[in-house]
Amino acid sequence: GAGVSQSPSNKVTEKGKDVELRCDPISGHTALYWYRQSLGQGLEFLIYFQGNSAPDKSGLPSDRFSAERTGGSVSTLTIQRTQQEDSAVYLCASSASSNQPQHFGDGTRLSIL
Amino acid sequence: EDQVTQSPEALRLQEGESSSLNCSYTVSGLRGLFWYRQDPGKGPEFLFTLYSAGEEKEKERLKATLTKKESFLHITAPKPEDSATYLCAAGDSTGTYKYIFGTGTRLKVLA
Repeated sequence: GAGVSQSPSNKVTEKGKDVELRCDPISGHTALYWYRQSLGQGLEFLIYFQGNSAPDKSGLPSDRFSAERTGGSVSTLTIQRTQQEDSAVYLCASSASSNQPQHFGDGTRLSIL
Repeated sequence: EDQVTQSPEALRLQEGESSSLNCSYTVSGLRGLFWYRQDPGKGPEFLFTLYSAGEEKEKERLKATLTKKESFLHITAPKPEDSATYLCAAGDSTGTYKYIFGTGTRLKVLA
């Protein structure tokens, strides 16, 4: 597709379960980003991948969060032992390079019961 | 600490009633000021990038301007389809890629 694709669009799970969120960036974009958007708050930076460089994980809120990017394309954000405070919309973005505008997918709405 | 603040939080306009949204930032060594539009249930849609004070960008009824401390998004003669949340973000001083987002202005344009 032409844009950033995220799946699933919605995920409901029980507290303590692990979840995986997927992001397909725009073809040819080398930079990929994950953000979290909570009600009433701005988007919160989580992690950044650029090509084969080591990712910037400085925004990950705890060691329960991890992300990988395989083959420089698809990325997966994993949250282990989910907590209710993890409920949010998780947005992925990509850009042609780190100094080009970021283009966002429609996000995964995660609800922890 | 780098910070981006948007005002007002919410704005209701009559169709055709022009107004401006404000984005104030405190970022040392700003590397880009970005405006996005976000519709309910959707991801942010890129609108503009501004890099230096005095710069202006236009798209249809929208015009974005930048000073050393704030950015404005001017909406001229808005239509109901302009209703959305408008987000601004600053590229922070540590790197061009780490955006700091404001909490947005929810705009409602009434027919």
